[in-house]
Amino acid sequence: AQSVAQPEDQVNVAEGNPLTVKCTYSVSGNPYLFWYVQYPNRGLQFLLKYITGDNLVKGSYGFEAEFNKSQTSFHLKKPSALVSDSALYFCAVRDSSASKIIFGSGTRLSIRP
Amino acid sequence: SAVISQKPSRDICQRGTSLTIQCQVDSQVTMMFWYRQQPGQSLTLIATANQGSEATYESGFVIDKFPISRPNLTFSTLTVSNMSPEDSSIYLCSVTGGSGNTIYFGEGSWLTVV
Repeated sequence: AQSVAQPEDQVNVAEGNPLTVKCTYSVSGNPYLFWYVQYPNRGLQFLLKYITGDNLVKGSYGFEAEFNKSQTSFHLKKPSALVSDSALYFCAVRDSSASKIIFGSGTRLSIRP
Repeated sequence: SAVISQKPSRDICQRGTSLTIQCQVDSQVTMMFWYRQQPGQSLTLIATANQGSEATYESGFVIDKFPISRPNLTFSTLTVSNMSPEDSSIYLCSVTGGSGNTIYFGEGSWLTVV
């Protein structure tokens, strides 16, 4: 069975500071990992993904994520946060042999000016 | 990435009625997925809809409550039947696209049942 965990319901960061949103996963095969963002009253937007290759993947809006196989983690990062980054962030995982994606519980990111 | 359009975007529905949500994609896709996002919650997969076959429902979801149609490779509908306030949610249509089968979402249909 596949699962994904986001241990923090909320992350608060000052504008200009680096941010990290945590995600850990469990799959039986090779993981496909994703991050999505949901702005207020909007659907989900794809940010980035890891399928294979370089462990550090770069995505939209200056976000990046690092795949760590030994720790089964895929934390989302950004070197310098913006107020406009405030949103709900979802980590998701799919086993390479499965068709459906499982979502984490979400982390609300709040960036204060 | 695929462009996904959903209708209606929002609706307020009476208890006991049914509502059909439409999902239109700008390209042909094999698999379409319907998710539900209850207020303040994460996404839960309702069913997978493949063209030419019956939808595959996840545990806790049944065809009588959430009938799905998939008449062609660019269109699907989800009906929420006999609605109750507990059905108040965002319903999201999604498709796979790109290498690695990334899932892309529509803007969702925001339903409130009163």
